This record gives sequence, structure tokens and C-alpha cells, in this order.
Amino acid sequence: NAGVMQNPRHLVRRRGQEARLRCSPMKGHSHVYWYRQLPEEGLKFMVYLQKENIIDESGMPKERFSAEFPKEGPSILRIQQVVRGDSAAYFCASSTGTFKNIQYFGAGTRLSVL
Amino acid sequence: DAKTTQPPSMDCAEGRAANLPCNHSTISGNEYVYWYRQIHSQGPQYIIHGLKNNETNEMASLIITEDRKSSTLILPHATLRDTAVYYCIVRVEDNQGGKLIFGQGTELSVKP
Repeated sequence: NAGVMQNPRHLVRRRGQEARLRCSPMKGHSHVYWYRQLPEEGLKFMVYLQKENIIDESGMPKERFSAEFPKEGPSILRIQQVVRGDSAAYFCASSTGTFKNIQYFGAGTRLSVL
Repeated sequence: DAKTTQPPSMDCAEGRAANLPCNHSTISGNEYVYWYRQIHSQGPQYIIHGLKNNETNEMASLIITEDRKSSTLILPHATLRDTAVYYCIVRVEDNQGGKLIFGQGTELSVKP
């Protein structure tokens, strides 16, 4: 029973390029959450998605960031025109969304912007 | 969701019990106490959660005071692998899902 899978584990981009981070939730989970951890800072919520729907995007930066969770395939966090300040660890979590809403986290993607 | 207060750091000797406190004096009646931990650079790991009764699982025990304004996470026999940042989070448990709000947590160092 595989856990939450994130890829790539490490991603290097130059300023101005696009970054795509993928997250495959645990089997049976239809809710996905993205969190960001900047260097030496705490975990911050970004966005919460159900299949094909964005439920809460209150933590997403207003520009350049977008997320989707299509009917088929993994959830994607997309960062356009990356800047050095986007360098961080991005964690995905999934849950069943039912009463005992325990979120299980992936190992994260570490984005480095040169 | 209610705010929590945790000590920034704690030490514990290997093999001894680690008792991590958390204050949540503004907790509401329908808010649960969750504990997660993050071992260096890894993704957060769920440990345990509870409402008002004490809870125990294979990882830890959770003791919640009768007035629910504070709680303690107990790792009964700490090992070096328990060195991590421990987060206490209070939130409503419902079927709407919802974000976790992480504070600064307690950095637990287990020493030989």
C-alpha cells in the first residue's frame, strides 16, 4: 500500500523557467493538500483540492502559482517564471476527506532556483 | 482554529520517556488535538489525535487535561530516531477536510 508519492524529489530551475511538481495521493484518497516550507521556516498551507475542484486556495500566492487535481492522474503544482524566493520544500498530503481526516504526507519536492 | 503554544526545544535521554507539552487555552468544544512530527527534511508524520479522552497507539500516548486547555504527548521510550520537530495542532474534525496550521513546534533532541 504505497504512501503519498511526490516527484521529482529534487528539482533545479533557472530564474524564469517553469516548475511542475507532481503528487500521487494514497490509494483511496480523493483529497490533496499542498504545503510549502521555506528555508528555516515552518510549514505553510497553500491549497486544498478534491478531484477536479479547488476547495481552498487561501495560501496560494496570487501570481505565478496554480494547482490542479484532474479526474485522472496526479495533482500538479505549477510555478511559472520561478524566482529565487520560490526555493523551498513543497510537501503534498492526502486524505480520505471523511470524518477522521488524517492527512498523510509525501517526502516532498525540493525546488532550487538558480 | 485555536492557537497552540509549545516550548521551542527540549532534550530527552535515550530510553527515557519524552513528555511534550502543548497549551491550547482557546480550544473550542468541537476541536481536536492533533500531533505530527517532522524528522529532519522529511515530510510530516501523523502521530496521534484526540478530543477529550486520553489516547494511546503504537507510537505515543496523548494526555488531555480535563478542561482541555492543555495536553501532553508522551513517547514512552524515546530513541535517537525520535529526534524531530513535534507539532501540536488543534482543528475541527469534520468531513470537509481542511488545512493544517503548523506553528513553530518543539524541537526534541534525544541524546545517547
